[in-house]
Amino acid sequence: DAGITQSPRHKVTETGTPVTLRCHQTENHRYMYWYRQDPGHGLRLIHYSYGVKDTDKGEVSDGYSVSRSKTEDFLLTLESATSSQTSVYFCAISEQQGNEKLFFGSGTQLSVL
Amino acid sequence: KQEVTQIPAALSVPEGENLVLNCSFTDSAIYNLQWFRQDPGKGLTSLLLIQSSQREQTSGRLNASLDKSSGRSTLYIAASQPGDSATYLCAVNDYGQNFVFGPGTRLSVLP
Repeated sequence: DAGITQSPRHKVTETGTPVTLRCHQTENHRYMYWYRQDPGHGLRLIHYSYGVKDTDKGEVSDGYSVSRSKTEDFLLTLESATSSQTSVYFCAISEQQGNEKLFFGSGTQLSVL
Repeated sequence: KQEVTQIPAALSVPEGENLVLNCSFTDSAIYNLQWFRQDPGKGLTSLLLIQSSQREQTSGRLNASLDKSSGRSTLYIAASQPGDSATYLCAVNDYGQNFVFGPGTRLSVLP
C-alpha cells in the first residue's frame, strides 16, 4: 500500500469554525490531490498540487484553501465550515500527473453541525 | 464537460460467475482511464490503468478494455468470489488536471 496518512480520520465541528485536514505521504510523489465524496455526486476534485508551493483549483474549490510547504504534506483548510461541507475527504497522490495510477488515503469523515 | 456514467448501479451475482461492469464517457479525447475498487469505509484502490493508446489491460482475474471512439470501457471479472464484493469506479483523465469519476457499481458476490 502507498504510504498515505490522513488525519484526523473523523471530525465533528460546528458551523463557522475553521478546520484543517492533513495528508502526509512517504512516497515522494510530486502530485497531491484533495477530493470529496458525496452520495449522488461521486468524487469531485477540490484542489491539487504539482509541487511545493504550487497548487491549483479543482471543480469544487469554493470555501477551501490548501497549502503545501513540504513535498510530503498537503493541507486542506475549510476557512469557515458550513453544513454543505459535511463529506468524506480523500487525499490522493500520483508520481506523474495523468500518467500514473492514483493512490488514495483512507479518508476523513467530516461532520459540520 | 466530461461526464462519466456506470451501468449497472448495483449488481448481485452468485460466486463463480463471470461478470462485466460498464463505464461510459461523453468526450472521447481522454488521456487515460482507471478502474478502482472501494471497500466500505475505505479509500480507493487502483486496479487497472489504460492509456489512450491501449485497448486493454489485464491483472489476474481482471481485464479492462477501452474503446475511445465509442466512449466506453468494460471491466471483466472472471470467476467472481465473495471477496470481490465492493464498489467499482472508473475515472477518465481528459488531459486536464482532473480525473472525472463515475458514480460506481456496487457489486455483491454471494457465496
